[in-house]
Amino acid sequence: DAGVIQSPRHEVTEMGQEVTLRCKPISGHDYLFWYRQTMMRGLELLIYFNNNVPIDDSGMPEDRFSAKMPNASFSTLKIQPSEPRDSAVYFCASSLGTLGGMGTQYFGPGTRLLVL
Amino acid sequence: AQKITQTQPGMFVQEKEAVTLDCTYDTSDQSYGLFWYKQPSSGEMIFLIYQGSYDEQNATEGRYSLNFQKARKSANLVISASQLGDSAMYFCAMRGTNAGGTSYGKLTFGQGTILTVHP
Repeated sequence: DAGVIQSPRHEVTEMGQEVTLRCKPISGHDYLFWYRQTMMRGLELLIYFNNNVPIDDSGMPEDRFSAKMPNASFSTLKIQPSEPRDSAVYFCASSLGTLGGMGTQYFGPGTRLLVL
Repeated sequence: AQKITQTQPGMFVQEKEAVTLDCTYDTSDQSYGLFWYKQPSSGEMIFLIYQGSYDEQNATEGRYSLNFQKARKSANLVISASQLGDSAMYFCAMRGTNAGGTSYGKLTFGQGTILTVHP
C-alpha cells in the first residue's frame, strides 16, 4: 500500500510569494494532520481534519496560513504571503481513527520549505 | 496540558549492543497513548512502537521494546542488538484524551534524542 504522499518534496521561494503544499493520505484513513518541524520549536501540530472537516486549527500560526481538505484523498496547506520564518519541514500524517494503536499516525516524507 | 521530556540530547552505542532512550511524560489524562518515531537523516518520520496507558504488558516490535512504567510516567525505548542503520533521531510522543474519553487526536512530541551507532 502507498504511504502518505506529499508534494513538493522541496520548495524554495522568495518572501511574499504564495506557497502551496499538497498531501494525499493513506487510502481509507479518516484523519489527516499537518505538522511543522523547526529546530527552535520541534514538531508542532498546525491543524487536523476528520472526514475532511477541520477539527482543531489552534496551531495555525496566523492568517497567512490556511488548510483545506476538499475530499478524502487530498489536502493542501497554503501560506500567503510567505515569510522567512516559515522556513521549516512540513509533514502531513494520516490515521485510521485516533484510538489505540489503530490510531497510529503515519507520516509523509515531508516538504522542506525555504523562504528567502 | 501534556508534556514529553527527552533528557538525552545524544546517545552513543556500540553496534550489536542494546541501548535505552529515555522518555518521561506529564499528563492528567486517564487514558493516553505513547508512541516512538524514528527520523533518519533523510528526514522521514517512521513509526516504531505504540503503548496504551491501559496495556498491562510492555509493547514489543522486533528489536524495539517499550519499558512502560506508569507510576513513574516513563516510556523508555529499548533497542536491542543495535545496527548501524539505527543511527537517527528518535522522538517520543503522546496522544491524550479529554474528560469525555474523546482522543485529542494530536500528538505532542518530545525534543528528540540523536542516537549514533558505532561499528
